Amino acid sequence: QKEVEQNSGPLSVPEGAIASLNCTYSDRGSQSFFWYRQYSGKSPELIMFIYSNGDKEDGRFTAQLNKASQYVSLLIRDSQPSDSATYLCAVIRAGANSKLTFGKGITLSVRP
Amino acid sequence: DARVTQTPRHKVTEMGQEVTMRCQPILGHNTVFWYRQTMMQGLELLAYFRNRAPLDDSGMPKDRFSAEMPDATLATLKIQPSEPRDSAVYFCASGLALQGGQETQYFGPGTRLLVL
Repeated sequence: QKEVEQNSGPLSVPEGAIASLNCTYSDRGSQSFFWYRQYSGKSPELIMFIYSNGDKEDGRFTAQLNKASQYVSLLIRDSQPSDSATYLCAVIRAGANSKLTFGKGITLSVRP
Repeated sequence: DARVTQTPRHKVTEMGQEVTMRCQPILGHNTVFWYRQTMMQGLELLAYFRNRAPLDDSGMPKDRFSAEMPDATLATLKIQPSEPRDSAVYFCASGLALQGGQETQYFGPGTRLLVL
């Protein structure tokens, strides 16, 4: 099993819809979870982080963490064409200090 | 506007040549990371430093790659000799690690390396 897995891509949603991006991780002791956005040809930029079970909201973005099921998700409400990008899930495993382990990403396309 | 800078932005070289990539972290940040990104493998951590000391270089091929931080404002990643399989985008990221807290990593624009 991959350490951080992002499946079911690419994802296409119409403008205004909710985009749901999912990520699972294998190390049950993982403590910190991050979502990065990467536009084509650009560098990753952090959009959200979450440490505790439950939901964390920031504007149109909501991160959801379920440690028992070992998944973290990102919801984007009112999706805009400018949200079209690759979204990378990253995890800091237990004892890994600051070392991020990234998933391969999921590409989101928002259709006008 | 504080940001991580990387040079060169693009590099085309021939197999066997030495490649040196440079990174200037955000002033005041004490942690520097080197990543490599390819379509096949995604984003992989090669090495990272805290307060200029190497903390982890387990992701780096030791026989040809080396990473150093000669001072707090400069990190380097060298490949010698380079091989076509090293073709990738190399990102540097920096962050500020505070005791008991998590740092946010800020990525530079990357160096796009093509080894022919």
